[in-house]
Amino acid sequence: SQQGEEDPQALSIQEGENATMNCSYKTSINNLQWYRQNSGRGLVHLILIRSNEREKHSGRLRVTLDTSKKSSSLLITASRAADTASYFCAWDSGYSTLTFGKGTMLLVSP
Amino acid sequence: GAVVSQHPSWVICKSGTSVKIECRSLDFQATTMFWYRQFPKQSLMLMATSNEGSKATYEQGVEKDKFLINHASLTLSTLTVTSAHPEDSSFYICSQIVNRANYGYTFGSGTRLTVV
Repeated sequence: SQQGEEDPQALSIQEGENATMNCSYKTSINNLQWYRQNSGRGLVHLILIRSNEREKHSGRLRVTLDTSKKSSSLLITASRAADTASYFCAWDSGYSTLTFGKGTMLLVSP
Repeated sequence: GAVVSQHPSWVICKSGTSVKIECRSLDFQATTMFWYRQFPKQSLMLMATSNEGSKATYEQGVEKDKFLINHASLTLSTLTVTSAHPEDSSFYICSQIVNRANYGYTFGSGTRLTVV
């Protein structure tokens, strides 16, 4: 499997601000997913976007997908201190296994 | 929703000993289980894919004799780290597909292994 890139590697913002994380991948995909991981814990699925979709919303989350550029972005609006975590994108290239990006560590200060 | 119970959540062992990590599907029968390893401040790397009743498929660079995977039933998959070394210290996470049609995956809570 080939890992893509996520940027930024780390992001520090104030509560109420928006946080944008980007993900790039290297293969064709069936879908791309975003996960959240609190320090030392398991992963929580946030949102999935299929390859034929360009944008998806879920609460304060907005995900975009540009298959021509092999990239995706995750926007968290009106961030809260509780959003502090690491965020990973992961894609399914059609073999039912997920390949994870390198992740973005988000710190939201009160 | 589907839940994967993983334990232990953390374990400390001496070099040279073996450690078994269990992932149990509580309300779903998992024909396929994925095992990942995550080093500090890094991403998840797929180690192997196990299918119920057959041998696991290991990713390149993962020693199958060191990381023994058993998936003898639809509800239980185990990863045994044999002859553990300090460099095996890592966070191990299992995952299963719960809905192929919707590409839904669920993850265990992870096991922090420290080899001293």
